[in-house]
Amino acid sequence: AQSVTQLGSHVSVSEGALVLLRCNYSSSVPPYLFWYVQYPNQGLQLLLKYTSAATLVKGINGFEAEFKKSETSFHLTKPSAHMSDAAEYFCAVKADTGRRALTFGSGTRLQVQP
Amino acid sequence: DAMVIQNPRYQVTQFGKPVTLSCSQTLNHNVMYWYQQKSSQAPKLLFHYYDKDFNNEADTPDNFQSRRPNTSFCFLDIRSPGLGDAAMYLCATSRDGGGWQPQHFGDGTRLSIL
Repeated sequence: AQSVTQLGSHVSVSEGALVLLRCNYSSSVPPYLFWYVQYPNQGLQLLLKYTSAATLVKGINGFEAEFKKSETSFHLTKPSAHMSDAAEYFCAVKADTGRRALTFGSGTRLQVQP
Repeated sequence: DAMVIQNPRYQVTQFGKPVTLSCSQTLNHNVMYWYQQKSSQAPKLLFHYYDKDFNNEADTPDNFQSRRPNTSFCFLDIRSPGLGDAAMYLCATSRDGGGWQPQHFGDGTRLSIL
């Protein structure tokens, strides 16, 4: 079984401040991990993915995430928030067990204050 | 650009009146997925096609069905929509080369029930 927990349904930061969105996973086998962003009334856009090639993964729009096996975490960070980063962010896990479905976390809404 | 296209973006139907949502892709991906996303919730997988093989999630109501006439197109049919079916419906595709293959999402169809 696999699951994802996103701590904090809402996160608010000031423009220019560090963004930290938390994701912890549970998986009985080595996982593949993804971060997606969703803007209002749009679909999900892939930010980055962890596929075991490197523990620090760089994505689009200046975001990155670090896979920490000991902490079962895959937190998303961005050094300096921009107003355009305001959106819903979803962490997702897929175990390579032949099941193709993604398991999503409940999402974190990021607000960026001017 | 290759992409996943959903039509229509907004659909209004009457309680109990059958409705069909459409998804097309130019990515030539093997797998197509349908998700239901209710307000402020994570996407929930309804079913997916691997090529022509249909894979239903155990908790997907019988009211929801799907067709995939060819690689490019997939349809979601709701036979008798209830008020609880009002949601955003997201189509996604992936190339099934392994668990690390990300899913690519369309912009969704927002379904309202009168």
